[in-house]
Amino acid sequence: DADVTQTPRNRITKTGKRIMLECSQTKGHDRMYWYRQDPGLGLRLIYYSFDVKDINKGEISDGYSVSRQAQAKFSLSLESAIPNQTALYFCATSELSDRASGTQYFGPGTRLTVL
Amino acid sequence: AQSVSQHNHHVILSEAASLELGCNYSYGGTVNLFWYVQYPGQHLQLLLKYFSGDPLVKGIKGFEAEFIKSKFSFNLRKPSVQWSDTAEYFCAVVDYGGSQGNLIFGKGTKLSVKP
Repeated sequence: DADVTQTPRNRITKTGKRIMLECSQTKGHDRMYWYRQDPGLGLRLIYYSFDVKDINKGEISDGYSVSRQAQAKFSLSLESAIPNQTALYFCATSELSDRASGTQYFGPGTRLTVL
Repeated sequence: AQSVSQHNHHVILSEAASLELGCNYSYGGTVNLFWYVQYPGQHLQLLLKYFSGDPLVKGIKGFEAEFIKSKFSFNLRKPSVQWSDTAEYFCAVVDYGGSQGNLIFGKGTKLSVKP
């Protein structure tokens, strides 16, 4: 079984709809991340969480919210989806480190299309 | 804040050609550096990483990268590419500044290997 899973894998929705993307991990890592990937722009950090009680905004958090329901689960919500949120979304995890996030482990991604 | 530049957006090579992909980060000090690879339709996987020690780092599938501190560079190399190396390659650096040690990604270099 995959260590980091994401659901759904593909989603098409309409402008204004609320969407939730879910991420689960079995690696036992404390740190979890949400990124979006757009062609030519690489990966940009949306939100990150260092533990269940610690949520932080990333580079592009506007229009998104997150929930860390448990150590193993980290959900990303689009409260009112808009077309420029069409992208590939990745969840990632890493171990707690006294220096840095170190190696991150990525889920398979969710392709979201907002019409 | 730290930033990462990847010089080539798209590289096209024939099989058996040598590969070098450029990566530069914006400022010095202690850095952790990574190369991730994304095969078509798949999630990101770690190719190799540098934390300290020998500046020539060997990764999976015959890839290596050299950390040159004076040039703020961490270029990826492979002596002889294969068709199966067709993928997008991302350089990343740990940002010890505002992002609390999170990864900062470059925009990626797409590699196409012709059989």
